[in-house]
Amino acid sequence: GAGVSQSPRYKVAKRGQDVALRCDPISGHVSLFWYQQALGQGPEFLTYFQNEAQLDKSGLPSDRFFAERPEGSVSTLKIQRTQQEDSAVYLCASSLNLPPSTDTQYFGPGTRLTVL
Amino acid sequence: LAKTTQPISMDSYEGQEVNITCSHNNIATNDYITWYQQFPSQGPRFIIQGYKTKVTNEVASLFIPADRKSSTLSLPRVSLSDTAVYYCLASGAGSYQLTFGKGTKLSVIP
Repeated sequence: GAGVSQSPRYKVAKRGQDVALRCDPISGHVSLFWYQQALGQGPEFLTYFQNEAQLDKSGLPSDRFFAERPEGSVSTLKIQRTQQEDSAVYLCASSLNLPPSTDTQYFGPGTRLTVL
Repeated sequence: LAKTTQPISMDSYEGQEVNITCSHNNIATNDYITWYQQFPSQGPRFIIQGYKTKVTNEVASLFIPADRKSSTLSLPRVSLSDTAVYYCLASGAGSYQLTFGKGTKLSVIP
């Protein structure tokens, strides 16, 4: 079946521009996660949704980062006034059930953001 | 969240068995050990998960000794397509935040 998809796959932005990154999770998956992966590092947690509710946004680096999932399916990560340090791969993942299950998180291919 | 330590890189020839060991000295009682694989330009992919003793699936085996302070991912007869970064994670059953670390970059040589 279809996995997690993300668009665009690559995004180049000039410093100061706003960007929006889209995630289409696996159909029916309740939980959705965003991670940031810097070059040569492992992914780092940004935020977590349970259906449309954002239950944890503790990993968002600043108030320039905003995520939403208004209908409990597609999610958008928005970065305002991009800075060079925002350059990274942004990964989206989804899982079928709610914690405390140990359901696998299924990751999308990521969006590589480059801020010039 | 338990901290995990694993080698930065490993090399192996095609056809050999590869064992990647991960240390997690402060693992909690309810923590599971999970391994993910990541190819370039792709997101991480779940390989295997275990709590103790041995778990085997079609891709790999996971060995966890009784004290659970370490674990070993075993990849039988690796091929060039197994070249990837492998991440060891320790997290509780109720934890949704995956903490990846830097992983082990496995290079399979022809």
